[in-house]
Amino acid sequence: QVTLRESGPALVKPTQTLTLTCTFSGFSLSTDGMCVSWIRQPPGKALEWLALIHRDDDKYYNTALKTRLTIAKDTSKNQVVLTMTNMDPLDTATYYCARTLRVETTVITGPHRKPVYYYGMDVWGQGTTVIVSS
Amino acid sequence: DIQMTQSPSSLSASVGDRVTITCQASQDISTSLNWYQQKPGRAPKLLIYEASNLETGVPSRFSGSGSGTVFTFTINSLQSDDIATYYCQQYHDFPPFTFGPGTKVDFK
Repeated sequence: QVTLRESGPALVKPTQTLTLTCTFSGFSLSTDGMCVSWIRQPPGKALEWLALIHRDDDKYYNTALKTRLTIAKDTSKNQVVLTMTNMDPLDTATYYCARTLRVETTVITGPHRKPVYYYGMDVWGQGTTVIVSS
Repeated sequence: DIQMTQSPSSLSASVGDRVTITCQASQDISTSLNWYQQKPGRAPKLLIYEASNLETGVPSRFSGSGSGTVFTFTINSLQSDDIATYYCQQYHDFPPFTFGPGTKVDFK
């Protein structure tokens, strides 16, 4: 059974750095195609993807937030850590981590072969609420 | 970044009704689209992947279709357990993943 659990502070002050840990079980980040994403959801608002780390340690970030985000993995501990610097009250949200599967296929167009990737966030943690306030 | 829009933003329906939600991408994303269900106070759940494929264990009353820029999500016969907010999400132009604003489905 695949499970993920987010942990971290419930309250941070403006300008502080937030560190969240995703601890997972039931899969390994060393397995082909495995990734972990972080997603957040401000109260009453839509989902916003933040970052993804691949088994190969490739890292990808939200365009608007990439200067503030760092994602890292510890495969031996089955953990992925997200840090977000310079926290602001607008960062108040529920933060989720999710197992993300990446499947590669090949599209052939004439003489050309192009890799195409499928991504799906198929198992999510329960989320952790972070309030940013002084 | 590719922008995703959804319509309607909310809808009210009765048990047994057919419910349809539309998701539109700001540019061609082929079939690189997933649909998620989020019940109040819960984490999202993947229902449909690659525009039209049902995730394992998801009831067959849920379906998805479309390609390019316009996609449709349908609940064939609404059940009480389907009250939730539904989100589309593209992965064609990654990074980033982008989600639609969501469609809230509740009972009339």
